[in-house]
Amino acid sequence: GENVEQHPSTLSVQEGDSAVIKCTYSDSASNYFPWYKQELGKRPQLIIDIRSNVGEKKDQRIAVTLNKTAKHFSLHITETQPEDSAVYFCAASTGGFKTIFGAGTRLFVKA
Amino acid sequence: GAGVSQSPSNKVTEKGKDVELRCDPISGHTALYWYRQRLGQGLEFLIYFQGNSAPDKSGLPSDRFSAERTGESVSTLTIQRTQQEDSAVYLCASSVAAVDGGYTFGSGTRLTVV
Repeated sequence: GENVEQHPSTLSVQEGDSAVIKCTYSDSASNYFPWYKQELGKRPQLIIDIRSNVGEKKDQRIAVTLNKTAKHFSLHITETQPEDSAVYFCAASTGGFKTIFGAGTRLFVKA
Repeated sequence: GAGVSQSPSNKVTEKGKDVELRCDPISGHTALYWYRQRLGQGLEFLIYFQGNSAPDKSGLPSDRFSAERTGESVSTLTIQRTQQEDSAVYLCASSVAAVDGGYTFGSGTRLTVV
């Protein structure tokens, strides 16, 4: 079955710097890759997603890239702010069936 | 409703008792999912429902766990003879269709087995 690996597990950056979180997936049939942000004690919320027919997608300060050949996808956050501090989960889905999540990255943005 | 509703929000139960967790998805969302999240851990897939199709139960950790969903409405996750390792937040999510699109998560049920 699908396996999603995510790293780093913890990331600490200075406010204003960029943060990059990387994920790899195992099932080449995966075609949908969402990213979720989970603030402490709250539910995960979808922040951005990318489909396999697209290599890059951007929404304000966040962007995702996908390399299907290497089965890698990444989340990029620019000009980080303290409110970006949270746990971020990548995920991979095959044709919309069960979505497998990475283990999460705890991002700390230091003011 | 406006979002995915889960109840109860918190449940403390004694080891060996059965518990039932409820999820009310967003109206019109045909796909419904249950995930388990242990403290400080990731999201562990449990079960997935899509319309009237047979559910994907491949993530259920043991036969003590079961879930039901009637049509495209409420789902219940039942844990029988609870164990301390069952302590976790149980998250329900729904989506418009299984084919594509992200999930909307509920706030979860925090289960503590003492």
